[in-house]
Amino acid sequence: GAGVSQSPSNKVTEKGKDVELRCDPISGHTALYWYRQRLGQGLEFLIYFQGNSAPDKSGLPSDRFSAERTGESVSTLTIQRTQQEDSAVYLCASSQRWRGGRDEQFFGPGTRLTVL
Amino acid sequence: DQQVKQNSPSLSVQEGRISILNCDYTNSMFDYFLWYKKYPAEGPTFLISISSIKDKNEDGRFTVFLNKSAKHLSLHIVPSQPGDSAVYFCAAVEGSNYKLTFGKGTLLTVNP
Repeated sequence: GAGVSQSPSNKVTEKGKDVELRCDPISGHTALYWYRQRLGQGLEFLIYFQGNSAPDKSGLPSDRFSAERTGESVSTLTIQRTQQEDSAVYLCASSQRWRGGRDEQFFGPGTRLTVL
Repeated sequence: DQQVKQNSPSLSVQEGRISILNCDYTNSMFDYFLWYKKYPAEGPTFLISISSIKDKNEDGRFTVFLNKSAKHLSLHIVPSQPGDSAVYFCAAVEGSNYKLTFGKGTLLTVNP
């Protein structure tokens, strides 16, 4: 399987708990994106990693959200003290990033987060 | 402020007919546009794109038209097939920026 994988596929948590979402990008893809899709909304950019450069965190909605990426491999998105408005599908995508946003992004299946 | 708008949440067409999905944008700096298709429980997959230097791009049954003066693009699917039933997202990007701005999506249902 050479696609982008995400885990878990579903996560139900209680308000106030921390959650960690994982993304395994396609091997060799230097760029990695996290998006959020809330019900009835489009994909909302959260964070972007490109190689060893400093990530662009401008889309993170609050300081409860953080993300890390080790080199050009796995990334984790952590949400601390979850709130009900964090309920959404969290999507990860990777690309070769030689044409910026014009490069095709390959998406994982997403993690559906439900905060009770 | 939504910079990319897909005003039709859903569209239903008969198999074999043409499907037309519309997208409007407000940011005149956008110069590259993409369409992604999404099936339930799967991530979006890239479908077709168009640069602002063109007004049409065709790939098999899929054609995207761009009207820069109207800040409008449309995706035509001819002929439509039941397997085309999915949510279609329009996205736009400015220059070499890596951030895509997505619309809310249009659910296309193709009836046999």
